[in-house]
Amino acid sequence: DQQVKQNSPSLSVQEGRISILNCDYTNSMFDYFLWYKKYPAEGPTFLISISSIKDKNEDGRFTVFLNKSAKHLSLHIVPSQPGDSAVYFCAASAGMPHLQGGSEKLVFGKGTKLTVNP
Amino acid sequence: DGGITQSPKYLFRKEGQNVTLSCEQNLNHDAMYWYRQDPGQGLRLIYYSQIVNDFQKGDIAEGYSVSREKKESFPLTVTSAQKNPTAFYLCASNRGGLEFFGPGTRLTVL
Repeated sequence: DQQVKQNSPSLSVQEGRISILNCDYTNSMFDYFLWYKKYPAEGPTFLISISSIKDKNEDGRFTVFLNKSAKHLSLHIVPSQPGDSAVYFCAASAGMPHLQGGSEKLVFGKGTKLTVNP
Repeated sequence: DGGITQSPKYLFRKEGQNVTLSCEQNLNHDAMYWYRQDPGQGLRLIYYSQIVNDFQKGDIAEGYSVSREKKESFPLTVTSAQKNPTAFYLCASNRGGLEFFGPGTRLTVL
């Protein structure tokens, strides 16, 4: 049973436009959410996170929105750049995850491959 | 430069053989992790270690073993008991909320 779902395996957008990557979760105990970006043959890099006490977190061109009632989060990238082309993983945990200094395990989605066309 | 080193980048082994994947970090991080990524899948936690000489099983530990004799090193052994070992293996480390992933090792069982 997949607890974190990224239903779109791929997304293609034009440079300068908005990219919206979606993620749904089923475990109501999840209260900490992260997005990672991964280039081929490299390890993932942390992008942005949000805890359930917020519904929005912004960092430069990246904004994550959390809708707790719908168990849905999304990552917005504005404006999209060709260098943003990568696989984006959504991850969730019940409490502060290991990889952020806490003690809880992260559950990852399958990823969405974003292609930004020049 | 500080970082995480995983070697080799590509590894091939014959079915039935054990193989050890290296993970070294010079970041002075206490916690280290091993993840596995399969095509079209998210990362799944194999083992993790919060401190030297201590480690815990993750979600898919069967067929794997680890050791943490030194803070800098967290090798992962893929044993012959692992039924489907072909995958991309990622090592990560963390200290105080700052985390880093290594470049990964792609293991192929022939």
